[in-house]
Amino acid sequence: LAKTTQPISMDSYEGQEVNITCSHNNIATNDYITWYQQFPSQGPRFIIQGYKTKVTNEVASLFIPADRKSSTLSLPRVSLSDTAVYYCLVGGMNYGGSQGNLIFGKGTKLSVKP
Amino acid sequence: DAGVTQSPTHLIKTRGQQVTLRCSPKSGHDTVSWYQQALGQGPQFIFQYYEEEERQRGNFPDRFSGHQFPNYSSELNVNALLLGDSALYLCASSLGWEGNTEAFFGQGTRLTVV
Repeated sequence: LAKTTQPISMDSYEGQEVNITCSHNNIATNDYITWYQQFPSQGPRFIIQGYKTKVTNEVASLFIPADRKSSTLSLPRVSLSDTAVYYCLVGGMNYGGSQGNLIFGKGTKLSVKP
Repeated sequence: DAGVTQSPTHLIKTRGQQVTLRCSPKSGHDTVSWYQQALGQGPQFIFQYYEEEERQRGNFPDRFSGHQFPNYSSELNVNALLLGDSALYLCASSLGWEGNTEAFFGQGTRLTVV
């Protein structure tokens, strides 16, 4: 499974756009890229998933360059409630890991300030 | 529609004791996975149950065992507790064990071993 590298932490202010980049140099041809969000003392929550180019939903956008060796999660106009840990996962099956086994790294702790 | 529910929410045990954690999957889901999350770390996969059988297992000792019931609910058992077993234990449910559907996580059980 491809290893991922993310910044340990990021700070932002309310109303700003936040971009979190994840490196996955060894991504395989059949790997999808999935992002999860986790608030303290809660389980992770699926945000977005993509394979290539750009994916957008009501919560975020995911940008994946042609070589797929990195991806960027973009959160538009963050609010205090977006303060959480964001995990980038790369796996061989749609929606996460190979055969349902999700491989989490340490994630990026995003702190949004007023 | 109830999501994934876990019980208890918090638990304190003494080193050497045994503990059982419980999980009810999201309605319509038939696969349950368990994760251990130490403080400041990402969740680590313990094992996955589908059709009442353990289908996959992560790098955890035999002290960690589980069970899935005909109604798809699941239990995680940990024997001979160690101080290092203190963590947030997360249950995730999905449809099918191949990993190609979104996983939904519960709030977790906070286990403290003293």
